[in-house]
Amino acid sequence: DAKTTQPPSMDCAEGRAANLPCNHSTISGNEYVYWYRQIHSQGPQYIIHGLKNNETNEMASLIITEDRKSSTLILPHATLRDTAVYYCIVRVAWGNEKLTFGTGTRLTIIP
Amino acid sequence: DTGVSQDPRHKITKRGQNVTFRCDPISEHNRLYWYRQTLGQGPEFLTYFQNEAQLEKSRLLSDRFSAERPKGSFSTLEIQRTEQGDSAMYLCASSSTSEQYFGPGTRLTVT
Repeated sequence: DAKTTQPPSMDCAEGRAANLPCNHSTISGNEYVYWYRQIHSQGPQYIIHGLKNNETNEMASLIITEDRKSSTLILPHATLRDTAVYYCIVRVAWGNEKLTFGTGTRLTIIP
Repeated sequence: DTGVSQDPRHKITKRGQNVTFRCDPISEHNRLYWYRQTLGQGPEFLTYFQNEAQLEKSRLLSDRFSAERPKGSFSTLEIQRTEQGDSAMYLCASSSTSEQYFGPGTRLTVT
């Protein structure tokens, strides 16, 4: 699996959009970008994934650059409950079952 | 609630004792995963089942660790002769597609 690089921590004001970057310059053509988050003392929670097109669901949007070497997870209106560690993971969708987590970005939402 | 459940949520044991954890996946999910997470780190993959077959084991899974999924439903993870280095959060996840859904974890403390 390709390696990802994320900033160790970020702050965001409540109500603002939180933009979490991820670099994955060695991503392969068949690898997807997945995002999970982990709220303190809970198991990780799936957020969103994409291959090359931008994706949106009820939780977030995922913007992948055209060269696919980086991506941004956007939480459009951050709330205090979005305070968590966010993990960007690159993997093929099938055939490599495990998730390889890095240390993620600790996002703190400021009231 | 039909999410992944784990039991117990917390376990304190003395070094040298055996412990067993249980995971009940989401009912229609045929894949089940175990991960371990130590403080400040992301989860690390331990092993993976498809139905009752254990298809992959990490090198982290020493001979003291054994996992089973006897009827392709719930799974158990046993650690024999526990060591202080086994202290961690043990996470279970299940899936039927490429997204994995995690349980709340079992926190093991070895004294």
